[in-house]
Amino acid sequence: EPEVTQTPSHQVTQMGQEVILRCVPISNHLYFYWYRQILGQKVEFLVSFYNNEISEKSEIFDDQFSVERPDGSNFTLKIRSTKLEDSAMYFCASSEFGMGGSSYNEQFFGPGTRLTVL
Amino acid sequence: GIQVEQSPPDLILQEGANSTLRCNFSDSVNNLQWFHQNPWGQLINLFYIPSGTKQNGRLSATTVATERYSLLYISSSQTTDSGVYFCAVVPNTGNQFYFGTGTSLTVIP
Repeated sequence: EPEVTQTPSHQVTQMGQEVILRCVPISNHLYFYWYRQILGQKVEFLVSFYNNEISEKSEIFDDQFSVERPDGSNFTLKIRSTKLEDSAMYFCASSEFGMGGSSYNEQFFGPGTRLTVL
Repeated sequence: GIQVEQSPPDLILQEGANSTLRCNFSDSVNNLQWFHQNPWGQLINLFYIPSGTKQNGRLSATTVATERYSLLYISSSQTTDSGVYFCAVVPNTGNQFYFGTGTSLTVIP
């Protein structure tokens, strides 16, 4: 069964460093998403991406975040200058159709990358 | 934005018991999914269920969209069912997922 994969599973970085989290969505999916979950809290939406551009982003997704689809398979989240409060689990997800409207729009989540900022 | 409330927040069960988890949402939705977050933090997709009833083994789910709630049933619980269960919804007026605060389930042998 196709699945979303993410690398690395765990990343430790120093405050102020740049990190890139990588995701490989399901191959026929066109919509991609990043979420984060701070320890002990609920999962929060960060950004959605379609047709090589951001379609929606939350207030959390400020200028220090960026997303990119550098090739036909990878989808990346970059944090330019990490802060202590960026420590969280980051989930990538993909769907065949977009979230708006009544089309089948099930999202499939990757296993997550646990980011620890020291 | 839409409010997603889950109950109970915590649940402790003896192995073999049944349970019902509830998800209430404050607006009409076009997507509702249930997830199990395992002890390693992974989100396991349980059901895509914007309406109706589905069953998968010992788990089943029902969403009554007109009354804005969904139920997740776990029968004959096992210790491996332990973890946090989240529901997430996409409102008709939006296009992003909103997660509930989760139900933390502990199944003791």
